[in-house]
Amino acid sequence: DGGITQSPKYLFRKEGQNVTLSCEQNLNHDAMYWYRQDPGQGLRLIYYSQIVNDFQKGDIAEGYSVSREKKESFPLTVTSAQKNPTAFYLCASSTTGTGSLNTEAFFGQGTRLTVV
Amino acid sequence: GQSLEQPSEVTAVEGAIVQINCTYQTSGFYGLSWYQQHDGGAPTFLSYNGLDGLEETGRFSSFLSRSDSYGYLLLQELQMKDSASYFCAVRDPGANNLFFGTGTRLTVIP
Repeated sequence: DGGITQSPKYLFRKEGQNVTLSCEQNLNHDAMYWYRQDPGQGLRLIYYSQIVNDFQKGDIAEGYSVSREKKESFPLTVTSAQKNPTAFYLCASSTTGTGSLNTEAFFGQGTRLTVV
Repeated sequence: GQSLEQPSEVTAVEGAIVQINCTYQTSGFYGLSWYQQHDGGAPTFLSYNGLDGLEETGRFSSFLSRSDSYGYLLLQELQMKDSASYFCAVRDPGANNLFFGTGTRLTVIP
């Protein structure tokens, strides 16, 4: 079945450590996105990529880094520079053409990161 | 820049109709989408409006007025399982990203 997979589901990090969240999709989508969601809040865009080997910063990119070496994969690293990383992280993918098809984003089940 | 405004909370009775509004400001516009998210879950796509007017999908309908930069999601025959957060979203062709609103938490009561 086609879909988008995030791992791990829960992640605990000590202060000062970098951690990498995995996101893999087999939907053949060109575009991939990372969002952060805090309790009772909306989705804030961290990074997005429209094509392999290219990505752009979203609204809250500071303290995060990404790579897009393969179409299927868009890992997110939460660095020690991110001062308040405890949150729910969502990865999504979509097509990039014009018209209605490109507006439907498919989400993974999320990774809940907690700093201990 | 982009901004999408929604009411933070709405409460409605089971079986009733509820409307969730979304006003937006974007430098470009490819249409307005709506997503549903249950607590702890992933957002799922509900509907899309690329042109003005009403789109109907079962109990859910969505409306867009581009001249007013306004849209809404209409949920009919509310069920308890409709209790969730609802987000409007736009794709900005200039920035080429997918930007979400602040979200509306809908609580359906018996």
